[in-house]
Formats: sequence, C-alpha cells, structure tokens
Amino acid sequence: EAGVTQFPSHSVIEKGQTVTLRCDPISGHDNLYWYRRVMGKEIKFLLHFVKESKQDESGMPNNRFLAERTGGTYSTLKVQPAELEDSGVYFCASSPLGRNYGYTFGSGTRLTVV
Amino acid sequence: AQSVTQLDSQVPVFEEAPVELRCNYSSSVSVYLFWYVQYPNQGLQLLLKYLSGSTLVESINGFEAEFNKSQTSFHLRKPSVHISDTAEYFCAVSARNPQETSGSRLTFGEGTQLTVNP
Repeated sequence: EAGVTQFPSHSVIEKGQTVTLRCDPISGHDNLYWYRRVMGKEIKFLLHFVKESKQDESGMPNNRFLAERTGGTYSTLKVQPAELEDSGVYFCASSPLGRNYGYTFGSGTRLTVV
Repeated sequence: AQSVTQLDSQVPVFEEAPVELRCNYSSSVSVYLFWYVQYPNQGLQLLLKYLSGSTLVESINGFEAEFNKSQTSFHLRKPSVHISDTAEYFCAVSARNPQETSGSRLTFGEGTQLTVNP
C-alpha cells in the first residue's frame, strides 16, 4: 500500500507569507495527525483528525495555523502569516480507526521562514 | 499528561561496538512505548513498540528495548552496530486508554543522534 505522502518536501518562504502543507494519509485511515519539530527540539503534537472532524487541536500553537481535512481524505495545514519561529519539520501520520498506537508517518515537510 | 526524557542527545560509537540509548518517561496513566528512527533525509519509521506481554521487544534489524515499569524506562540496545544504523532515534509514549481524547497522541523525547564510525 502507498504510504503517507506529504508535499512539498521543502518550502522556503518569507516572513509574512502564507504556506500550505498537504498530507495524503494511507487510504482508509480515518485517524490523521500533524506533528512539528522545531529547531532540534522534541517532536510535538499539533492536532488529530478523525475523518473530517478535529478530535483534538490542543497542540496548535496559535490562530495563524489552520488545519482542514476535506471529506475525511487529505489534509492541509496553512500557516498565515508565517513567522520565523514557525520554521521546522512538519510531520503527518495516519492510522486506522480504533488503533491508538503505532501510526505511519510521512517523510515530513521542512519549512524555512526567512 | 506524559513526558519523555532521552538522556543523551548524541551518541558516537565505533562499528561493531554495543550501544544503549536511554529513555525515561513520566505518566499518570498506563502507556504504550515506542522507538522511532529517522535515517538521513527520510521520515520517521517505527522501530519497535511495547504494548503488553513480554517486557523485552525486538526489531528486525537487531535492536531490542526493555520496558522497566519500576524505573519507568524503555532503553534501546544493540549488541553490535553497523554504519547503516547511523540515524536519529526517538523514544515516544502514548496513553493506553482509547477513551481519552489525547489517548492516541504521541509524546516524544528530544531525540538521540547515533553516529556509527568505522
């Protein structure tokens, strides 16, 4: 089966611009997660979708971040406007419904805000 | 809430030497435990997991980890490393109870960079 796909793999934008990251989960996986790793720190949870609904968005850093999951399939994470501290690697992961362990992660999007 | 501490940020070793990457966790509830690995320019891959049963779990490439409940540790070991094991290793936990809204959320440590030198 195809894995979790994220694109772009890299993005360099200027402070104040908007960037949209996309994640395509494994087909049939209703759970979709976003995580972020900033500046060599720990990987931190951002939010969790179950199908198209936000199950837990307590990790979203502020209202400049907007996540959507259209029709319970792919998800987008928009940062608007981007700030320098948003630089990092954004990971997406997915798992089947009912499994609360051992997701499959994508390769990540490396975002650099200059 | 959970927290994970990886005690070493960098571990340099020579090829064929043994290695131990240390991980301690804190949690008020029962947890699942994981080790993930990120090879250069790749995504996170699940290396091994402890869900229940035997406290010693093994991966297909020779790593093993032992869950020690009394010491709240889940250290990763390999008796003889290869150059290809060079990667960053992440310890992570998630709460067992699927009823909690945060039950499936992973809490990671800061990672340990393992560098295997010839």
